[in-house]
Amino acid sequence: AQKITQTQPGMFVQEKEAVTLDCTYDTSDPSYGLFWYKQPSSGEMIFLIYQGSYDQQNATEGRYSLNFQKARKSANLVISASQLGDSAMYFCAMTLRSGGSYIPTFGRGTSLIVHP
Amino acid sequence: DAGVTQSPTHLIKTRGQQVTLRCSPKSGHDTVSWYQQALGQGPQFIFQYYEEEERQRGNFPDRFSGHQFPNYSSELNVNALLLGDSALYLCASSFDRGNTEAFFGQGTRLTVV
Repeated sequence: AQKITQTQPGMFVQEKEAVTLDCTYDTSDPSYGLFWYKQPSSGEMIFLIYQGSYDQQNATEGRYSLNFQKARKSANLVISASQLGDSAMYFCAMTLRSGGSYIPTFGRGTSLIVHP
Repeated sequence: DAGVTQSPTHLIKTRGQQVTLRCSPKSGHDTVSWYQQALGQGPQFIFQYYEEEERQRGNFPDRFSGHQFPNYSSELNVNALLLGDSALYLCASSFDRGNTEAFFGQGTRLTVV
């Protein structure tokens, strides 16, 4: 069974510093997708970044980058130049194809607090 | 362009009652998935609807049922509510059965008393 592990329940970072949120996954399927979502206190899950298992380059979206290490089965999110508005829960998710559908499995999340 | 909208935003129900939650997907999306998120946990997949049919289902009892309408909007129904059903219920829309990133609504906070 597929599994997503986020080992950091909480992280603290100083404003303008970079922070890395860890995510490891477990699957025997060679084809999968990895996502990161941000969930502010309002509850909405906001898509941040996507990495496909066959992508050669690490994904980047503005201040977000995904450090994809396939052999280690890790997909860490790097946020550069943290801002106060980055304070939120962050979820890593893996999507596998099942019966024609793509169903994500989410980790338990990491709470990020950005200090001024 | 409206994103994913869910209604209601908050709901309080009594144990044993039934509840219906609603979701309108993002324009252009044809797939709706529902998730249950307990406090301090990641979202748990309930089921996915595509072409008005349930395509995949997570590990949830039959008390949880759903529907998708021709305009792609969807409902989640929960019968015989238990205290443990208290959670944030998230709707996510995507295209082509989830083969793209999913966009989430703000969720419905259900409290069962």
